[in-house]
Formats: sequence, C-alpha cells, structure tokens
Amino acid sequence: NAGVTQTPKFQVLKTGQSMTLQCAQDMNHEYMSWYRQDPGMGLRLIHYSVGAGITDQGEVPNGYNVSRSTTEDFPLRLLSAAPSQTSVYFCASSSLPEVLRNQPQHFGDGTRLSIL
Amino acid sequence: AQSVTQLDSQVPVFEEAPVELRCNYSSSVSVYLFWYVQYPNQGLQLLLKYLSGSTLVKGINGFEAEFNKSQTSFHLRKPSVHISDTAEYFCAVSNTGTASKLTFGTGTRLQVTL
Repeated sequence: NAGVTQTPKFQVLKTGQSMTLQCAQDMNHEYMSWYRQDPGMGLRLIHYSVGAGITDQGEVPNGYNVSRSTTEDFPLRLLSAAPSQTSVYFCASSSLPEVLRNQPQHFGDGTRLSIL
Repeated sequence: AQSVTQLDSQVPVFEEAPVELRCNYSSSVSVYLFWYVQYPNQGLQLLLKYLSGSTLVKGINGFEAEFNKSQTSFHLRKPSVHISDTAEYFCAVSNTGTASKLTFGTGTRLQVTL
C-alpha cells in the first residue's frame, strides 16, 4: 500500500525555470491538496481538488498551477521558479467520506525544492 | 478566518520527563482541532483529533490533549517522553464546514535528550 507518493524528493532549480512536482495516490481518494512548509510559517494550502476536473485555490496559490485529469494524480506546476518558492512541498489526500466525517488527510513524504 | 498559535518554537526535555506543547486558536465559528507529528524527512502523521464530545482526547504513542473552549486552547501532553518522540509537532484547526482545509500552526520542535 503506497499511500501518497511524491516525486522527486529533492530538486534544485534556477530562477525562471519551470518544473512539475508529481503527486500520486493509490487509495482512490477524491480530495487532494498541496501545501508548502516554510520555517516559522507552518503549512500553508496552495491548491486543492475535490475530484477529477475540479480544482480551487488555497491560501497561497500565486506562482503555481494545478490540474486534476485523473483521480490518482495531482501535479503541481511552477511556471517560472522564484527564490521565494524555495520550500518543502507536501501533497495530501482524503476520501470524501473521510472529509465528511472530518477525518484527517494522508500526507506524502514531501519534495524539498531549492531555487537559486 | 481562523488561526493557530504555537507558543513555543522549541521545547527541550529529558527522557522520561513529562512534556506539554501549547496550542491556542482563534475562530469565529466552531472548530475541529488536530495535532500532527513530523519526523525528519517524512510527511505529517496524525497524533490525535478533537471533533466533539469528551474534551480529553487520547492519541497514539501515549499523547493526549485537552480542548478548553473558554481558553481557546488545545495543549498536547505526554507524561513520560522517549528519545523517539523527538520530532516537529503541529497543531491544526479547521472549521466544522470544511474539515480538510486545515490551518496549521508554525510548529514546535520537541528535542528529547538523555
């Protein structure tokens, strides 16, 4: 049971480069989300999705794009990387029944991204 | 809007000593409260949650927390810590309408030493 899988685990980019952080879950969860974790800031919600074809913005969406073409995958795209986007990125998923029962999300192990 | 304040960024403690990690929240509506633990290079794992009912919540690994509505607090406690409890601990809150849109505190680093 893989749960939530994030790739890559580490990445270094130059300012202006683009890249996609991958997130996949094998639990058939409808709800998926992306957070970034910064020192002294806790985790902040970037984007989330309640199902294939449906996405919405979180607290800090600027500079990031998402799409949800399948239930399993929820990639996060950085269009033009900036040093301010250096962070640890976490993907999480939940089933909608879990959401309705207020059950917590399942988190991946994170992607550590540095932008020079 | 809701917010979470974790008053201590770091808490050093000796092994087998008790520990309390503090969490205060603010919200204009009813909330659900969570504590997560993050071990190095790993994602977050749920320790415990308060949704309703008894204000004393017991979680995994011997942790417990008490919801205090009048003081808007949800402090995490363990009577005797172990070296393996060294980790980052996050308090989180969601309003009762959108439980998966969590607002996290800034985290408390628990450092257990011999």
